[in-house]
Amino acid sequence: AQSVSQHNHHVILSEAASLELGCNYSYGGTVNLFWYVQYPGQHLQLLLKYFSGDPLVKGIKGFEAEFIKSKFSFNLRKPSVQWSDTAEYFCAVNAAGSSNTGKLIFGQGTTLQVKP
Amino acid sequence: EAGVAQSPRYKIIEKRQSVAFWCNPISGHATLYWYQQILGQGPKLLIQFQNNGVVDDSQLPKDRFSAERLKGVDSTLKIQPAKLEDSAVYLCASTPTRNRGDTQYFGPGTRLTVL
Repeated sequence: AQSVSQHNHHVILSEAASLELGCNYSYGGTVNLFWYVQYPGQHLQLLLKYFSGDPLVKGIKGFEAEFIKSKFSFNLRKPSVQWSDTAEYFCAVNAAGSSNTGKLIFGQGTTLQVKP
Repeated sequence: EAGVAQSPRYKIIEKRQSVAFWCNPISGHATLYWYQQILGQGPKLLIQFQNNGVVDDSQLPKDRFSAERLKGVDSTLKIQPAKLEDSAVYLCASTPTRNRGDTQYFGPGTRLTVL
């Protein structure tokens, strides 16, 4: 069965610090990978996604993530965080391939708190 | 473009009562998902519709949960009877197609508290 593990449950950073959130998945086949973000009081929205091509993908608000197939990882990074990045971040995966339904398997989430 | 709409936003009920949630996806989106998000966990798929047909309901507790999407547009999720462990946020999402690379667009969710 597919599963997603996020390494950190709660991260606290000061503004301008660099961010890296870990995500590992368990699945033997080809996958699509996603990072979603939920800002306080808002709904889940897509930050970035990878489904083929360049393993380094760039998303909104200066975020990027790198897919390392050999490590089953898709870590999220940002060189300099802002107070407005305070949110909950979810890594998710779905199995590529026409026989799969497209349902997302989510990690448990990481709460990021950025101190001004 | 209007987003995914859900109602109600909050609901408090006692155990053994019934409750229903409504979702209206983005116009033209063929695929609709219901997820359950328990506090401290990531969302978990309950059921997926493609138009008005069920694609995946393998994790739906069918003894108490039911869902329908009769005309292939809006959808209703029902719980009857509710248990304490059903306290969660119920999220609806939609995508234009069943393409696995499609972005899923989420609604604001319904927060259910079962007392």
